[in-house]
Amino acid sequence: QKEVEQDPGPLSVPEGAIVSLNCTYSNSAFQYFMWYRQYSRKGPELLMYTYSSGNKEDGRFTAQVDKSSKYISLFIRDSQPSDSATYLCAMRPEKAAGNKLTFGGGTRVLVKP
Amino acid sequence: DTEVTQTPKHLVMGMTNKKSLKCEQHMGHRAMYWYKQKAKKPPELMFVYSYEKLSINESVPSRFSPECPNSSLLNLHLHALQPEDSALYLCASSQVGTKADEQYFGPGTRLTVT
Repeated sequence: QKEVEQDPGPLSVPEGAIVSLNCTYSNSAFQYFMWYRQYSRKGPELLMYTYSSGNKEDGRFTAQVDKSSKYISLFIRDSQPSDSATYLCAMRPEKAAGNKLTFGGGTRVLVKP
Repeated sequence: DTEVTQTPKHLVMGMTNKKSLKCEQHMGHRAMYWYKQKAKKPPELMFVYSYEKLSINESVPSRFSPECPNSSLLNLHLHALQPEDSALYLCASSQVGTKADEQYFGPGTRLTVT
C-alpha cells in the first residue's frame, strides 16, 4: 500500500463547476501538506501549503486537512479551462531529511468549456 | 525573479554517451533538488543539496552524478545510462528551514536514452 493515495482520474467537469480533489495517507507523522499543479510538459507549481489540521483559502482555492481521518482535500471554485492540469498532493513529517516530500500519484483534471 | 531554468529542454543520448543537465536559479535559495518523473507518475526525489553540500542521495545509481558548483547552479552528469532512465528530470530550489517546502520547480529536461 502506498503512503499517499490519490485517484488518478481523469476528473472531467464543466466550466464553472467546483473541482474536488483529495488524498488519503497512512503515516500519522505527516504534518505539512501541499498541493502542486502541473501542466503538461511543465514542472509542478506550488498552489497551497498548510500545516497540521484546518482550512486555508486563497482566491478560488481551498485546502482542507483532517488529520484524524488522514485525509486532505483541495477545492477549486468557479473552475476554468486553464485549471486543466494534473494536481499532486505532497506531504512530510515535522522533521524530514532533506525536506523530502511524499507525493501522491496525481489527479488529472479536465475543465470543459 | 521566481524562475528556475533548466537546459537543455530535450536530450537524446546513447547508452555510451556522457552528457550533463544544467539548472540555475537566482532566488537566493540555498537548497536545490533533482527529481526524476516518469509519465503519469509523481516526481521521485534523487538528490538534495543544502548550502552547496550533498545532503541526500536517494540510493541513485552512480551513472547519475550531481554537482553543485555554486549556490545558483546545479548540474547532473549522466554516463552509461539505460533506456529505463528515460524520463523528465526536474530541478527545484527552495529556502532552507521553515520555508523549505515551497519548492520552485524548473520546466524539466526530457531525456530519451536510446
